[in-house]
Amino acid sequence: AQKVTQAQTEISVVEKEDVTLDCVYETRDTTYYLFWYKQPPSGELVFLIRRNSFDEQNEISGRYSWNFQKSTSSFNFTITASQVVDSAVYFCALSLMEYGNKLVFGAGTILRVKS
Amino acid sequence: DAGITQSPRHKVTETGTPVTLRCHQTENHRYMYWYRQDPGHGLRLIHYSYGVKDTDKGEVSDGYSVSRSKTEDFLLTLESATSSQTSVYFCAISGNSGASYNEQFFGPGTRLTVL
Repeated sequence: AQKVTQAQTEISVVEKEDVTLDCVYETRDTTYYLFWYKQPPSGELVFLIRRNSFDEQNEISGRYSWNFQKSTSSFNFTITASQVVDSAVYFCALSLMEYGNKLVFGAGTILRVKS
Repeated sequence: DAGITQSPRHKVTETGTPVTLRCHQTENHRYMYWYRQDPGHGLRLIHYSYGVKDTDKGEVSDGYSVSRSKTEDFLLTLESATSSQTSVYFCAISGNSGASYNEQFFGPGTRLTVL
C-alpha cells in the first residue's frame, strides 16, 4: 500500500523567513510520481510540481525549491523568503505509474506567514 | 486552466436524502476522479473512471456510487446522505498519455453539508 506522511500539521513563520515542508512517502513500486499542491484560502487546488521516481535532481522555481531523496523516501519543499501570499495548505501526493494513476495525498501542512 | 466545472458548488441537505454531484470536463480526458477532503486526512479517493461506463472504487467508496455515460460527465451519488459525508468534494481529470496522463487537474470543489 502507498502512504504519504506530512508530519507538520501547522507551521507559522514571519515574512522573509525560509520554511521547509516535509514529505515522507511509502511505496514498494519503483516507478511513481510525486507531487506538491497548494490550496490557498480560496479553496482551489493549485499544482506546483511533479517529479518521477527516476529523476532525483533537485528543482528550483523562483522562491520554491524541492529536494527529492529516494534513499530517505522524502520529497521536501522549501520556500525561500516567505511572503504572506504563501499562506495556504500544502499537500504532498504520490501516484503510481499504473492504470488509473490514482493520487494518494498526505494530510497537508497549514503554512501561516505573518507580516 | 483545464476546463473542469462542478455543480452545485454548495449544497445543504438532510440526512437520508439522495444527493448527486456533477463533474463536467471539456478536455476530452479519459480519466476522471472523485475525492473528498476532510481535516486531518487530506484528499481521499472515492471512485474513479477510466472510460465511459468504466469505473472502479477508491479508498473511501462506501456509501457512494458513480456513473459515467459520456466522456465529459462524471456523476457522484450519495444514495442516502449521512452526516459523515459532510465534506468538500473535488473532481479531477487526467489525460490518456504523456504529461497530461501523470498530472491531475482539479475542479473548484463542492461543499456539501448533511444536517
